[in-house]
Amino acid sequence: DAKTTQPTSMDCAEGRAANLPCNHSTISGNEYVYWYRQIHSQGPQYIIHGLKNNETNEMASLIITEDRKSSTLILPHATLRDTAVYYCIVRPAPDQTGANNLFFGTGTRLTVIP
Amino acid sequence: NAGVTQTPKFQVLKTGQSMTLQCAQDMNHEYMSWYRQDPGMGLRLIHYSVGAGITDQGEVPNGYNVSRSTTEDFPLRLLSAAPSQTSVYFCASRTTSGAYEQYFGPGTRLTVT
Repeated sequence: DAKTTQPTSMDCAEGRAANLPCNHSTISGNEYVYWYRQIHSQGPQYIIHGLKNNETNEMASLIITEDRKSSTLILPHATLRDTAVYYCIVRPAPDQTGANNLFFGTGTRLTVIP
Repeated sequence: NAGVTQTPKFQVLKTGQSMTLQCAQDMNHEYMSWYRQDPGMGLRLIHYSVGAGITDQGEVPNGYNVSRSTTEDFPLRLLSAAPSQTSVYFCASRTTSGAYEQYFGPGTRLTVT
């Protein structure tokens, strides 16, 4: 499975956009990019996922570069409740070997500052 | 829906004791899994199940047993607890279609002395 590289920590001012980068230079063609977050002492929460195209939902936007070697999670208007550890995960398509396993690295600790 | 529930929330064991961590989901998800999270680290997969009667090992299965007799329940058993198993344990389930996102329980904080 392709692995990911994320900055250890980031700060963002409340109300501003938070842009969280992720490098996945060894990603293969059938692997998806998933983002989860974990608020302190809680279980991880799914945010968004994508394959090639940019994606947007009610929580965030996901921008994937054309070569798919990196992506950026965007929280458009960060709030204090967005303070959490954000995990970027690469996983195979559901019918591929390894699709059942999610490899969580250490993620990016985002702190939203008032 | 209650989602994914885990019991107990906290547990202290002595070395060598056994116990079962309970996990249940009411979303009719076929896939369920157990992760552990040590301080300052990401989650590591212990065991998973793709349906009732089917289980498989994850990244760190040693010292843990699982079974899946029903769709709803996926208990994790520690046969002889060791201090190295002190961790926070998360259970998760997911659908077999759509976004494939996993739903996580609130976690069980286990301390082995």
